[in-house]
Amino acid sequence: AQSVAQPEDQVNVAEGNPLTVKCTYSVSGNPYLFWYVQYPNRGLQFLLKYITGDNLVKGSYGFEAEFNKSQTSFHLKKPSALVSDSALYFCAVRDKDTGRRALTFGSGTRLQVQP
Amino acid sequence: DTEVTQTPKHLVMGMTNKKSLKCEQHMGHRAMYWYKQKAKKPPELMFVYSYEKLSINESVPSRFSPECPNSSLLNLHLHALQPEDSALYLCASMTLISTGAPTDTQYFGPGTRLTVL
Repeated sequence: AQSVAQPEDQVNVAEGNPLTVKCTYSVSGNPYLFWYVQYPNRGLQFLLKYITGDNLVKGSYGFEAEFNKSQTSFHLKKPSALVSDSALYFCAVRDKDTGRRALTFGSGTRLQVQP
Repeated sequence: DTEVTQTPKHLVMGMTNKKSLKCEQHMGHRAMYWYKQKAKKPPELMFVYSYEKLSINESVPSRFSPECPNSSLLNLHLHALQPEDSALYLCASMTLISTGAPTDTQYFGPGTRLTVL
């Protein structure tokens, strides 16, 4: 079975400061890892993914994430937060070895960026 | 273009009504998904279609009936719903390589906000 944990319900950061949203995962095989963002009353927007290769993945809107196999983590980061980054962020995993064509999502982390 | 469209945006229905949700994509994606999302919760998988065939049904009650009439369209037929079925219903699609293995990103539509009275 595959699972994702996002240990923080909410992260508060001041505009201009760096931000980190944490994610750890559990799969029996090798993972595909994703970050999505959701603004109020909207669908999920894809930010970035790790499939293979370089452990540091760069995505949309200045976000990046680092895949750490030993710690089974895939934390989302941004060097300088914007107020417009305030939203709900979901980490998701798919086990590439099972062939199950569906994502398992974490519980979500609300990012609040204060001006 | 990575657009998935969903209609209607909002739907209010009574428990005896029959209605349908529609999802459309023109990216050539051969996997399509229905998710249900309650407020402040993650999306929960309902159904997966691969090459227009139902491949996953996450034990969804029969009052939800999916249909994939062609590779671009996905419908969700609703009948005799309960108030607890009120939620945001999200459609997503994903490309599949020739062997059918999942390799790429799911792209989500904006959702249909369903209210059951």
